[in-house]
Amino acid sequence: GAVVSQHPSWVICKSGTSVKIECRSLDFQATTMFWYRQFPKQSLMLMATSNEGSKATYEQGVEKDKFLINHASLTLSTLTVTSAHPEDSSFYICSALASGRAHEQFFGPGTRLTVL
Amino acid sequence: ELKVEQNPLFLSMQEGKNYTIYCNYSTTSDRLYWYRQDPGKSLESLFVLLSNGAVKQEGRLMASLDTKARLSTLHITAAVHDLSATYFCAVDSGGSNYKLTFGKGTLLTVNP
Repeated sequence: GAVVSQHPSWVICKSGTSVKIECRSLDFQATTMFWYRQFPKQSLMLMATSNEGSKATYEQGVEKDKFLINHASLTLSTLTVTSAHPEDSSFYICSALASGRAHEQFFGPGTRLTVL
Repeated sequence: ELKVEQNPLFLSMQEGKNYTIYCNYSTTSDRLYWYRQDPGKSLESLFVLLSNGAVKQEGRLMASLDTKARLSTLHITAAVHDLSATYFCAVDSGGSNYKLTFGKGTLLTVNP
C-alpha cells in the first residue's frame, strides 16, 4: 500500500512553454502533498506544501507565480512550471502524507524536466 | 531554521567492512527518516525513527536515534556491492506540518 505515482516520468520542452506534472496517491487519500526539486548530485529541496482544497504554502525563494500548485482532490496534486527556462531543468519529486499515518511521507518516482 | 548535517558525504568501502553514517540536526525533533536513492530514481524509505532511543534494523542496515544528542546513525554491517547508493537522512520540523529537511546525502560506493 501507500503508492504514489507521477506523470510524466520525463518531459522535454522548449523554453517559454508550460509543463504540468501530476502527483497521485493511488491507494490512499492524501490531504497534504509536498513538492521537491533535486538538482544533479544535490539533495532534495522542499518547494511547497500542497493542501487539499486550499492554497499551497511555498518555501522561501520559490516563485509561486512560476510554480503553480493545485490540490483539487484527496488523491491528486499538480505542479505547473510556467514559462519554463533552462534553469528550471531538474528532477521534481512529490510526496504524500497518508491520512492516519501522518508521520510518514510516501514519495513518487519523480519527473525529470529538461528545458531546451 | 532547521539544519541537517550528514557525514561523510562520500564513502568508499570494501565489501565485508562495517561503517557508520552520521546525521546531526540543529533543533528539537523526534521524527527522523532514512532514505536510499539509486541513480536516476526517487527515494526509497529505509527507516522511520519516531522516538528517543529508537533502533531499527533491516538486513545489513541499522539505524538509531538519540534525540537528546540530536544525532542519528546508519550503521552498515558487512557491506555488499548492492548497498552502493546515496543515503539521505531527513528530519521532521515538528508540529503538524510534517515538513522534511534533508541532509546533503552520503554517496556510498562498495567495492568488491
